[in-house]
Amino acid sequence: DVKVTQSSRYLVKRTGEKVFLECVQDMDHENMFWYRQDPGLGLRLIYFSYDVKMKEKGDIPEGYSVSREKKERFSLILESASTNQTSMYLCASSSRYLSTHVKEKLFFGSGTQLSVL
Amino acid sequence: GDSVTQMEGPVTLSEEAFLTINCTYTATGYPSLFWYVQYPGEGLQLLLKATKADDKGSNKGFEATYRKETTSFHLEKGSVQVSDSAVYFCALSDRHGNQFYFGTGTSLTVIP
Repeated sequence: DVKVTQSSRYLVKRTGEKVFLECVQDMDHENMFWYRQDPGLGLRLIYFSYDVKMKEKGDIPEGYSVSREKKERFSLILESASTNQTSMYLCASSSRYLSTHVKEKLFFGSGTQLSVL
Repeated sequence: GDSVTQMEGPVTLSEEAFLTINCTYTATGYPSLFWYVQYPGEGLQLLLKATKADDKGSNKGFEATYRKETTSFHLEKGSVQVSDSAVYFCALSDRHGNQFYFGTGTSLTVIP
């Protein structure tokens, strides 16, 4: 079964801490994404990556950075956590290549609920 | 740019009631359209999809038809169950499947 795994389900950090959220997928997908989910705002794209060592800014990249050193792993980094970064963070992946069944389908991890105090 | 607008919630229905959640989109080219569902405490799961105009996606009693003339992809179910309580997201992807856009989500609660 295909799987996107996020390292933590719940995380509590203090203001100013550096925070790492890890995501691993086992589907050999080229594309990986980080979203944050907030009530009333839906999913907002933070960063995405189409290949190893590639990264692109999404709609709300401020205060975040990412790392993709290996194809299966996409890390989201909060350089100095702030209270307004308290949110649910969702990682997702998809295949770039044409396949009627698999293509254009986004697979999600279970999410990390981050609280910054 | 591409975007999705979906009906705001929350929606509360009695068991066996008819469900409609409206979704309209703006896109260039020929997007694919999706409905994702998020059960409490979980990530998003694909519920159904349609990849071209007039296609109907269906799964677990839910249906949605890709209407290009009205740029809509409304989700329907004839008889909801308590287990359908979740948040539903309408989404589209570009023709290459490399970029996805989500609506704000609609929370559904079904009461016995």
